[in-house]
Amino acid sequence: QQPVQSPQAVILREGEDAVINCSSSKALYSVHWYRQKHGEAPVFLMILLKGGEQKGHDKISASFNEKKQQSSLYLTASQLSYSGTYFCGTEMNSGNTPLVFGKGTRLSVIA
Amino acid sequence: EAGVAQSPRYKIIEKRQSVAFWCNPISGHATLYWYQQILGQGPKLLIQFQNNGVVDDSQLPKDRFSAERLKGVDSTLKIQPAKLEDSAVYLCASSSWRGDNTIYFGEGSWLTVV
Repeated sequence: QQPVQSPQAVILREGEDAVINCSSSKALYSVHWYRQKHGEAPVFLMILLKGGEQKGHDKISASFNEKKQQSSLYLTASQLSYSGTYFCGTEMNSGNTPLVFGKGTRLSVIA
Repeated sequence: EAGVAQSPRYKIIEKRQSVAFWCNPISGHATLYWYQQILGQGPKLLIQFQNNGVVDDSQLPKDRFSAERLKGVDSTLKIQPAKLEDSAVYLCASSSWRGDNTIYFGEGSWLTVV
């Protein structure tokens, strides 16, 4: 079951904040966030496990709402380097099950 | 630590021809994945290996796609015969049994079928 990401695209000016959501109709065990720049491989950002706490590093953080089966990625004080497509990958069971990725959210940060 | 290695990076073939992609995962990673990423979409799993055994190949079009991981390390994905709709980036990824199943991707093999 493919997770649904929103918005599909967003344009920010440097320093602005953004939130990207990832929702599933099924119960999730974990949510993984990746960023992909054009022509490059997806790069792992962070993972949120069921029952876990909000995570973050630098100005990018994420949360996981188990009741809603939704994860949100927060980008604060955005930088030009944050531009790219953000994907969430969801895992329904623990232990070596493949991630199912959403269609992505294209983020463009302009000066 | 070396990342996931893939080759070739780019390939252009005519429809009905065949193509093969190679992947070497991160050292020590028992799980290897092949994902297909069509332009503008998220990666879609084709096949998952655990060591040299297949865990999930339910979305692999087996009439034209095949994959193997004979010695439990590197892997080959083959397409024969190729169709126009196979034009995509083929991403290899690997993960370790230890920890939280974080998947690390290679840079991908870009396939254009004309």
